[in-house]
Amino acid sequence: DTEVTQTPKHLVMGMTNKKSLKCEQHMGHRAMYWYKQKAKKPPELMFVYSYEKLSINESVPSRFSPECPNSSLLNLHLHALQPEDSALYLCASSQARDSWKHTQYFGPGTRLTVL
Amino acid sequence: GNSVTQMEGPVTLSEEAFLTINCTYTATGYPSLFWYVQYPGEGLQLLLKATKADDKGSNKGFEATYRKETTSFHLEKGSVQVSDSAVYFCALSLIQGAQKLVFGQGTRLTINP
Repeated sequence: DTEVTQTPKHLVMGMTNKKSLKCEQHMGHRAMYWYKQKAKKPPELMFVYSYEKLSINESVPSRFSPECPNSSLLNLHLHALQPEDSALYLCASSQARDSWKHTQYFGPGTRLTVL
Repeated sequence: GNSVTQMEGPVTLSEEAFLTINCTYTATGYPSLFWYVQYPGEGLQLLLKATKADDKGSNKGFEATYRKETTSFHLEKGSVQVSDSAVYFCALSLIQGAQKLVFGQGTRLTINP
């Protein structure tokens, strides 16, 4: 099983709302990732968790707050977003040891619209 | 720096045509190389990968060979189908604190019946 699941599939929120995106995998992977993808562009890395610890934050604004409550779950908490934050948010996971040669498995994404 | 350059799309072919999508990279060290495919409204799926020079990755009739001397990882398929219509991303993997994927800009492929 190489499945990464993400909920919700679609999300519409106002600029004052607080919402969360969820990601789950049961492949035993200890590295998990959040990406942002704008239309017709490649994914842009936002955050990396390795062994449940934040190892990379690509200078993402604080209105995005990641959380890794356990080795299978990854959340992205959203607060006071801007319309330009509208995008497809992708979660991925991979093996953490010798990770450079391992595949990142992507979820289907959450399509976020900020009004 | 580390970067990936893909041939610009969109690419439009007829069914059963031969496909090549060029990909070249610049990297320090010896990265792993990947091709991912993204169908409309979906996330990225691994198509194939190669982890060292001269490795050939293959899947679903697609092939790519890791060429260190030309720093290339071109994607090929001998006979494309309408169902191959998608966006294809070439990527390299390196370690900078954790694994990072560096993506090319993507190539949109449309196959006409």
